[in-house]
Order: sequence, then C-alpha cells, then structure tokens
Amino acid sequence: DQQVKQNSPSLSVQEGRISILNCDYTNSMFDYFLWYKKYPAEGPTFLISISSIKDKNEDGRFTVFLNKSAKHLSLHIVPSQPGDSAVYFCAASAHGNKLVFGAGTILRVKS
Amino acid sequence: DTGVSQDPRHKITKRGQNVTFRCDPISEHNRLYWYRQTLGQGPEFLTYFQNEAQLEKSRLLSDRFSAERPKGSFSTLEIQRTEQGDSAMYLCASSLGVSGVNTGELFFGEGSRLTVL
Repeated sequence: DQQVKQNSPSLSVQEGRISILNCDYTNSMFDYFLWYKKYPAEGPTFLISISSIKDKNEDGRFTVFLNKSAKHLSLHIVPSQPGDSAVYFCAASAHGNKLVFGAGTILRVKS
Repeated sequence: DTGVSQDPRHKITKRGQNVTFRCDPISEHNRLYWYRQTLGQGPEFLTYFQNEAQLEKSRLLSDRFSAERPKGSFSTLEIQRTEQGDSAMYLCASSLGVSGVNTGELFFGEGSRLTVL
C-alpha cells in the first residue's frame, strides 16, 4: 500500500516561474514531513521539512505547505532555477520512526 | 569528507552469488538505515538500527537479506543467492535519532548499485 503518493511523475517549468510539487498521504499517524532532492548518481539530499503542528515552513526560495485535513502537502519553489532540475521526493514519518517515501516527481526547469 | 560513505558504488554479479555492501555512517549518528530504490520509484525501507540493535525490518524483506551493525558503527547488508529482481540501488542513511521524537532528516550516502545478470 502506498502511504505517500506523488501523482505527477514529471513537471516542466520555465526559469523564473513558480514550481509546485504535490504530495498526498494516507496514514494519519504521520507527524513529520520532508522533501528530498536527488540528482542522477547521487543519494537524496534533504531540502525542507515541516512538523504536523505547522501549516507552512519557508526556507529561502522553498516553502512547504501542509493541509492536514486533506492529507496533502506541497513544495513551492520560487523563482525556479535551472539548477533545481532534479527528482523531488516527498517523505513522511510517524513519531520519529522510519521515513516513507513517495515515488518522486521529475522537475525540469527550462532556461 | 564526513558524510555517509558506501562501498562498493557498483557491483555486477551473476544470479545465485552472494554480495555484501558496506556503509559507514556519519560518526556521531546513532541510527543507520538501509533503503532500496528501483527505477521510477522512491526509496523503499529495508531495515534500520539504533546503535547496534536492529529495531525494524521490512516484512517485504526476503530471508536472503541480512544486515548487521556490529559495535554500532559501520553496517553491512548481505544478499544471499541473488536474483535478477534484486537489481537496484541500495541506499544507506544515518541520523541522530531519539525514540518517539522527530529529530531531523536522514543523511544519505551515494548508494551501491547492484546489477544481477
């Protein structure tokens, strides 16, 4: 059963515009959510996280929004840059346990 | 470099052979995780250790897979009698974890890619 779902396999955005990546989850026990970025031939690297007690967390060009009632979170990147082109994984955990990952979304930022 | 390191980076083996991967976590991290990733999928949890204790193992994990973390430092993941379906990227990650508390992200290594012919 897929507890974390990223329904968009890919997204293409023009440089300078906003990128919005979406993620849905089914396990109501999840209380911590993270986004990871992965370049080819490298391991995933942490980007930004949010606790379930918050609905927004911002770090520079990256903002994560959490809608607990909808069991939905999104990552906004603005402005998008060509170097942001990568695979983005949404992940969630419950009470400090293992991370459960989505299948990923390939982001392409065109210059 | 003080990040998570994995060895070997690439392994090609014939079906039926045994393979072993090694992971050296960030030195002060007490938790160590193994994940597997196949093309088009996200990392799939295999098992994790807190210090030397193996606290959880995926029920999807075949008995051919075994992991150890002697002395709570490096870890090894062994796959016995490999099958073509074992071909994947095997990722190791570490973190500073406290039971029941979200203490931050996992730090991943670059992975060990296994190809079973």
